Amino acid sequence: AQSVTQLDSQVPVFEEAPVELRCNYSSSVSVYLFWYVQYPNQGLQLLLKYLSGSTLVESINGFEAEFNKSQTSFHLRKPSVHISDTAEYFCAVSGAGANNLFFGTGTRLTVIP
Amino acid sequence: EAGVVQSPRYKIIEKKQPVAFWCNPISGHNTLYWYRQNLGQGPELLIRYENEEAVDDSQLPKDRFSAERLKGVDSTLKIQPAELGDSAVYLCASSYPARNEQFFGPGTRLTVL
Repeated sequence: AQSVTQLDSQVPVFEEAPVELRCNYSSSVSVYLFWYVQYPNQGLQLLLKYLSGSTLVESINGFEAEFNKSQTSFHLRKPSVHISDTAEYFCAVSGAGANNLFFGTGTRLTVIP
Repeated sequence: EAGVVQSPRYKIIEKKQPVAFWCNPISGHNTLYWYRQNLGQGPELLIRYENEEAVDDSQLPKDRFSAERLKGVDSTLKIQPAELGDSAVYLCASSYPARNEQFFGPGTRLTVL
């Protein structure tokens, strides 16, 4: 089985500052990794994913995450955050080729003007 | 492309009452998921359908929860009778077969009084 740990439940950061949201996973098999974002009163939206290939993956709105197999991590980063990035961010893992997603408990990112 | 549709968005009931949630997945998505998201937690899978077949219902509390997807398209999740601990957001998601990207609906927020 797979599991995900998001150590930071809340991360406040000033606008235009960099941010890193941490995600560590546990699995005995090859994995796929995902970051989802949830805005208030909305469903989850896929932000980015790692399936194979390059360990650095990017989203269209400036976020990136790097798959680190040795450290079993998939941390999410952005060099300069905007007010609109305020949301809940969930890291998720599935077994490679499997359908079921296992989510972390989420990190609430609050961008301070 | 229309997204995953869920109704109702909000539901308030008294304990011991029945409640049902409806989900219409994205057209062409044969795989449908129901998740429960407790406050401050990540989503947890309740049941996964491949077309009409429930292929993973190991986390569904079968004493009070039931689900159906009769024609392999939309789905209904039912709780009877509801308990206080069932208060949560119930999320529906869908995906193409053997594809890892799941698309989520906005969820139904259930409050049991």
